Amino acid sequence: QGPLVESGGGVVQPGRSLKLSCTASGFTFRSYGIHWVRQAPGKGLEWVAVVWYDGTEKYYADSVKGRFTLSRDNSKNTVSLQMNNLRDDDTAVYYCARELRILRNKVFDYWGQGTRVTVSS
Amino acid sequence: DIQMTQSPSSLSASVGDRVTISCQASQDIDNYLNWYQQKPGKAPKLLIYDASNLETGVPSRFSGGGSGTDFTFTISSLQPEDIATYYCQQYDSLPYTFGQGTRLEIK
Repeated sequence: QGPLVESGGGVVQPGRSLKLSCTASGFTFRSYGIHWVRQAPGKGLEWVAVVWYDGTEKYYADSVKGRFTLSRDNSKNTVSLQMNNLRDDDTAVYYCARELRILRNKVFDYWGQGTRVTVSS
Repeated sequence: DIQMTQSPSSLSASVGDRVTISCQASQDIDNYLNWYQQKPGKAPKLLIYDASNLETGVPSRFSGGGSGTDFTFTISSLQPEDIATYYCQQYDSLPYTFGQGTRLEIK
C-alpha cells in the first residue's frame, strides 16, 4: 500500500449517500492539505474538493457543493468525503491526493489508488 | 473559475518523434501550472511543476514551458512507455482545474 489509500466506494442508488475515506501513512499527515479528484468513466480529471492541513478551510467544486462534505481527523490520519444525494453523474473513480507546498508552488505529489463509485438504479 | 484548454485532445506519433501539447488558461496564471501523466488504470503522476520544472526522477526528455496564459509540454523523443494521457492543471486559484487531457498513442 502507498502513502494514501482510499476506501468506501461501491454501487449506490441515485439520491442515496456514501462515505469515502482517505487514510495516510508514512508522512506527517497533519501538515498537508488533502484534495479529492474524480474521473468519470472514459473522461478526464475533475477537481472535487480540498481540506486544509488543519481542517479549518474546505472548498468544493460547484458540481458537488451542498451535497458533499469533507471532514478530517488528524489523530487518525484520515480525511472523509461524505457524499449525499448522489446523482448518476457522480459515477467516477475518486482519488485523494496530497498537496505539497514549497513557497508558492503547489503540487499533488502523492495520490491514492482510487476508489470506484457507481451511482445506478 | 479558470478554464484550461488543452490541444490536441489526442495525438498519434512514432517512437523517436518530438511531441508537443498545448495548454491555454482562460486568464493569466503566471507560472502556476503543473503537468501530470496518467496511464490506464493508474493514478496521475506529477511530471512538471511551476510550468517548467522537472520533477525529481522524471526523464529529461520531458519538458515544459510558458507563462501567463499559454503553456507547452514537450517530449523530445517519444518512447513506448510514454503512452498515456497528459493533463495540465492550474493552481493559481481554487478550483484547481485540469485541462481535458491529451491522449498520446504510438503510430
